[in-house]
Amino acid sequence: DAKTTQPTSMDCAEGRAANLPCNHSTISGNEYVYWYRQIHSQGPQYIIHGLKNNETNEMASLIITEDRKSSTLILPHATLRDTAVYYCIVGANKLVFGAGTILRVKS
Amino acid sequence: DAGVTQSPTHLIKTRGQQVTLRCSPISGHKSVSWYQQVLGQGPQFIFQYYEKEERGRGNFPDRFSARQFPNYSSELNVNALLLGDSALYLCASSFTSATYNEQFFGPGTRLTVL
Repeated sequence: DAKTTQPTSMDCAEGRAANLPCNHSTISGNEYVYWYRQIHSQGPQYIIHGLKNNETNEMASLIITEDRKSSTLILPHATLRDTAVYYCIVGANKLVFGAGTILRVKS
Repeated sequence: DAGVTQSPTHLIKTRGQQVTLRCSPISGHKSVSWYQQVLGQGPQFIFQYYEKEERGRGNFPDRFSARQFPNYSSELNVNALLLGDSALYLCASSFTSATYNEQFFGPGTRLTVL
């Protein structure tokens, strides 16, 4: 499974868009990009996943570059409840979590 | 609908003991995966079971074992506990074993080994 690189932490103002980057330069053709988040003291929560095309759901948008070597998770209007650790995962057969990005949404 | 449930919530054991953790998946889900999360790190994959068969195993010693029952619930067993086994143990269920299926995580079992 390909390795991912994410910033250790990010801050975002409440109501603004939060853009979380992820590098996965060794991704192979059959590997999906997944995003999960973990709010303190809870189990991880699925956000979104994609293979090649950009994806959007009720929680977020996922933008994958054409060469698939990087992606960005966008939370369009961040709230205080979005403060969490966000994990970018690339894989085909299992989820391999890294350290993730700590997103702090501030009022 | 009930989410993934895990028991017990917390557990304290001493070195050398054995522990069994339990997980009930969401109704209709046939795949259960187990993860270990050490404080300050992301979850690490231990096992995946689908239709009572092991479908994947992470880089964990043989002291770790698991099984899945006909009702799709699962148990994780850890023998000869070490201090380093202290962690949050997470169970996740999904409809199939395919990774692209959304995995739903339970709240975890906090294991402390003294």
